[in-house]
Amino acid sequence: ETGVTQSPTHLIKTRGQQVTLRCSSQSGHNTVSWYQQALGQGPQFIFQYYREEENGRGNFPPRFSGLQFPNYSSELNVNALELDDSALYLCASSSGGLAGNEQFFGPGTRLTVL
Amino acid sequence: AQSVTQLGSHVSVSEGALVLLRCNYSSSVPPYLFWYVQYPNQGLQLLLKYTSAATLVKGINGFEAEFKKSETSFHLTKPSAHMSDAAEYFCAVSVSFSSASKIIFGSGTRLSIRP
Repeated sequence: ETGVTQSPTHLIKTRGQQVTLRCSSQSGHNTVSWYQQALGQGPQFIFQYYREEENGRGNFPPRFSGLQFPNYSSELNVNALELDDSALYLCASSSGGLAGNEQFFGPGTRLTVL
Repeated sequence: AQSVTQLGSHVSVSEGALVLLRCNYSSSVPPYLFWYVQYPNQGLQLLLKYTSAATLVKGINGFEAEFKKSETSFHLTKPSAHMSDAAEYFCAVSVSFSSASKIIFGSGTRLSIRP
């Protein structure tokens, strides 16, 4: 059974650029959630995708967007990057979007915005 | 609104000593509570979860947590610390909203182990 994988591992961008982060969910999981973890803080929920539709969103601006594909892998896109977007971005997959369903986390993508 | 509060951003214990990491929750309904561990430059690993089946929850690596409704607490303990336990620990609650769910994390407690 393959766990959650994310790519790339690290990424450096400059302000104003756009970035795409990728996540492959664990086998059998149809739900993907994305979190942002700033340095020294706990992860913050960005949004959740279930069967290719965004079904929940946290307090993040529209320049944070996503996609989920038929194989349940997912992308996180961030436009017009700001310095404060520098963080570890974590993807988590689960079987369904119910609270209490265990979310399995990937290793994360470290984004640095200069 | 559901939330968790971790008491103490940094805890230091000697190897072999008891580990106690504190977490209090706020919830108007029976919560789904979790403890995650994060090693440097890695993602999150689930240590244990409470889903109302039993108040004492045993997890991996010798950790356990006790759900106390009267104290709204879910503290994490380990009888004897090992050097490999040094990491960041997050208490979290899973909440439902609209047709989704999200995990709300505490601010984390960094555990250091003294030789």
